[in-house]
Amino acid sequence: GAVVSQHPSWVICKSGTSVKIECRSLDFQATTMFWYRQFPKQSLMLMATSNEGSKATYEQGVEKDKFLINHASLTLSTLTVTSAHPEDSSFYICSARDPGKTTEAFFGQGTRLTVV
Amino acid sequence: GQNIDQPTEMTATEGAIVQINCTYQTSGFNGLFWYQQHAGEAPTFLSYNVLDGLEEKGRFSSFLSRSKGYSYLLLKELQMKDSASYLCAVVDSNYQLIWGAGTKLIIKP
Repeated sequence: GAVVSQHPSWVICKSGTSVKIECRSLDFQATTMFWYRQFPKQSLMLMATSNEGSKATYEQGVEKDKFLINHASLTLSTLTVTSAHPEDSSFYICSARDPGKTTEAFFGQGTRLTVV
Repeated sequence: GQNIDQPTEMTATEGAIVQINCTYQTSGFNGLFWYQQHAGEAPTFLSYNVLDGLEEKGRFSSFLSRSKGYSYLLLKELQMKDSASYLCAVVDSNYQLIWGAGTKLIIKP
């Protein structure tokens, strides 16, 4: 099956610093990637849809200047949490669709972000 | 508004059968996913239904009734490793995934 690799798996950072999370599709080209956030015991919540070569589409309530998304190539999308605060601590997951397999969405391993 | 309902938590015994229900009200329908998620890990794909009926895949089966806005995931011969959260997600008319809150399944020996 298609593989999506997300890095890092976990990160601890100080309040006020920025953190970059990478999401790569390893064996297929993903024109669209999705970024989700999941707080403990809650559902996955879509933050933004990342399109290769264009600006990301953010969901209502998600600050685009705080959560910077770059999708510079067909196999890489990055999410940068800028000026992180403790309330940004969460599980961030990326997902990509293989254009040849529209019935599945493949997920990265997820990144556990803790802001102290 | 769009809504996906699943039970919050279920408990079952090892070796038994359990059915996890999911009801949905969404703007359009382009399929329904079931995912399994172990604590601290990303979801893994279990099934996708777009037509009415039962899809069987090993110990797991998924059923869909579009007219009733209803699906269930059936797990047979439960194993301890099946303890996880099970997420129902519907693809709406804009091809966006609408997620349920997940059902935490606890398996007891």
